[in-house]
Amino acid sequence: EVQLLESGGGLIQPGGSLRLSCAASGFTFSSYAMSWVRQAPGKGLECVSAITGSGGSTYYADSVKGRFTISRDNSKNTLYLQMNSLRAEDTAVYYCAKDGVQYSSTWSNWFDPWGQGTLVTVSS
Amino acid sequence: DIQMTQSPSSLSASIGDRVTITCRASQTISSYLNWYQQKPGKAPNLLIYAASTLQSGVPSRFSGSGSGTDFTLTISSLQPEDFATYYCQHSYPPTFGGGTKVEIK
Repeated sequence: EVQLLESGGGLIQPGGSLRLSCAASGFTFSSYAMSWVRQAPGKGLECVSAITGSGGSTYYADSVKGRFTISRDNSKNTLYLQMNSLRAEDTAVYYCAKDGVQYSSTWSNWFDPWGQGTLVTVSS
Repeated sequence: DIQMTQSPSSLSASIGDRVTITCRASQTISSYLNWYQQKPGKAPNLLIYAASTLQSGVPSRFSGSGSGTDFTLTISSLQPEDFATYYCQHSYPPTFGGGTKVEIK
């Protein structure tokens, strides 16, 4: 069974930094692109970043470009999101999600499954 | 950038109703369109990928159609467990529609 377990969320002051982790199990991690999708309270979904299985190609939404960095450690089956210069508008539940296509050359086809999410609150 | 527009943003329906949700892309996206269901406090769940392929384990009352710019998610006979919010998503770059909340009439 595929499992994705996010961690690292919490309350952080504006301008601060946080690193999210997503521990994956139940599949060949290095064969799949992975993504971070966030959902602000009461709002819709936004894919903020994605990375190919090898880590050689990444995607960032304009809203986080230059502030967030996605990475992965295929030896540890773990996905990361380093978030710097955090703003109030970054407050959201952050989900990691596995891509639906094995050995895909791009970062995102469809997301399946998703983790349970970790809440990031940016507030003073 | 490609924009994804869902309509309606919400709807009220009764058990057994046929429900149709529309997603429109701002430019042609072939069949690179996926649909998700999200219940309150839960992560989204994939229903349909590549516009019309039903994900394994998803009830057959769900179906997807369309290509190019206009896509449709249909629930043939609404069940109590279907009351949720539905999102469309384009693959490249990953872009979601605004969501459609399906509520009980």
